[in-house]
Parts: sequence; C-alpha cells; structure tokens
Amino acid sequence: GESVGLHLPTLSVQEGDNSIINCAYSNSASDYFIWYKQESGKGPQFIIDIRSNMDKRQGQRVTVLLNKTVKHLSLQIAATQPGDSAVYFCAEKMSARQLTFGSGTQLTVLP
Amino acid sequence: AAGVIQSPRHLIKEKRETATLKCYPIPRHDTVYWYQQGPGQDPQFLISFYEKMQSDKGSIPDRFSAQQFSDYHSELNMSSLELGDSALYFCASSLGQGGSPLHFGNGTRLTVT
Repeated sequence: GESVGLHLPTLSVQEGDNSIINCAYSNSASDYFIWYKQESGKGPQFIIDIRSNMDKRQGQRVTVLLNKTVKHLSLQIAATQPGDSAVYFCAEKMSARQLTFGSGTQLTVLP
Repeated sequence: AAGVIQSPRHLIKEKRETATLKCYPIPRHDTVYWYQQGPGQDPQFLISFYEKMQSDKGSIPDRFSAQQFSDYHSELNMSSLELGDSALYFCASSLGQGGSPLHFGNGTRLTVT
C-alpha cells in the first residue's frame, strides 16, 4: 500500500543550528500533512500542519515545506535547542481517512 | 488546555486475558482514533469513530473491538491477548474528519506476559 517514509532515521545537529527533517510521501491524493514530535514515553505532539493547497507554512521556530511535484515534505527547526531532541514523524491524510505515519527520524541536539 | 486522557497508563495482563482501554477526547472533539505503536515503530492505525459511528478501519485484529459512546469517549476492547499485543496504545481526537489536527493522549502501555 501507499505509505509515507522518511529519508534518514537519525539526525544530529549542534545546538543553535537549524535542523531540516525530510519526508517523502507516495499517495498523491493526500491533502493534509502533519508533523509530530514524540518524546520517550509520551504520545505524538502536534507541531505544525499544512494543507495541499499551500507550499509553505510557518510556526514558532518551525517551517513546513510541501512540494507536491516530487511528493516531498520537510520540517525546518530554527535555532535547535536541547529540548528539541525527540523522534519526529511526518503523517499524511486523505480527506476523512486515517492518518498514516511515516518512519520517524531521531533528532539529537549536541551541546 | 484540556488534552486527550487515556486510562489506564499502564496495564499488565496474561496471555488469553482481556483488556479494556479508555479514551476521553478533548471537549467538543467528535472524532476518535486508535493507534498501536511497537518499540521503535511508527504508530499504526487501528480504527476510528466519527459521531459514534465507525469511520475507518485499519490493521485491527478481529480479537479487538472498539466503540464510541454518547459522551464521545471511546473504549478499545482486546480479547484473547497474545504476547505480540504488547505495545503502546494511543488514542487521538480531532474536530471533524477532514483537515484538522489529531491530538494524541500519552497512551496506555500494555504488557502481555
């Protein structure tokens, strides 16, 4: 079946640097995308979302970019902090259907 | 702000026993989703409900059933438990079924021995 996947399983960045986490999706009918952060022992925490009629959305220190042509999604975190260390998941949704998660990326922020 | 509440937080059961997990969505949210997450895995969709009716079904075993009640809380019933059912079970809720974010609870950790 179609699924969402991430390019890299792990990412290490220096504190204060910017982080970029990438995601490829294969269902061209998906119209809604969400990035989640998951810390150990906790549920996925909503970070930011984007609809398919947009190509960029900004939040507080985070930006999501959507490229529908190549079916690519990215999450940019500015000035990465130690508290940003976690597993990050992209997820895609088509209308009223289920939200499908991709494989997570473990982000480690180095001091 | 109120979040999704799941109970119990931890549950230990033996093989072939039954378990019931409860989920209380964010107030005014009408859609509930259940996910299963194994160690080091991404969350896998089990089942969802909108306005107390099943709206979508994923990889939920026939041994499991779920429902959403009139107050919008949901329960996941698991019977004939197997060792492989040991996982984190998350509930999420959203307002409507379309383009609104799912908000997750902190899960129930089920251990089957």
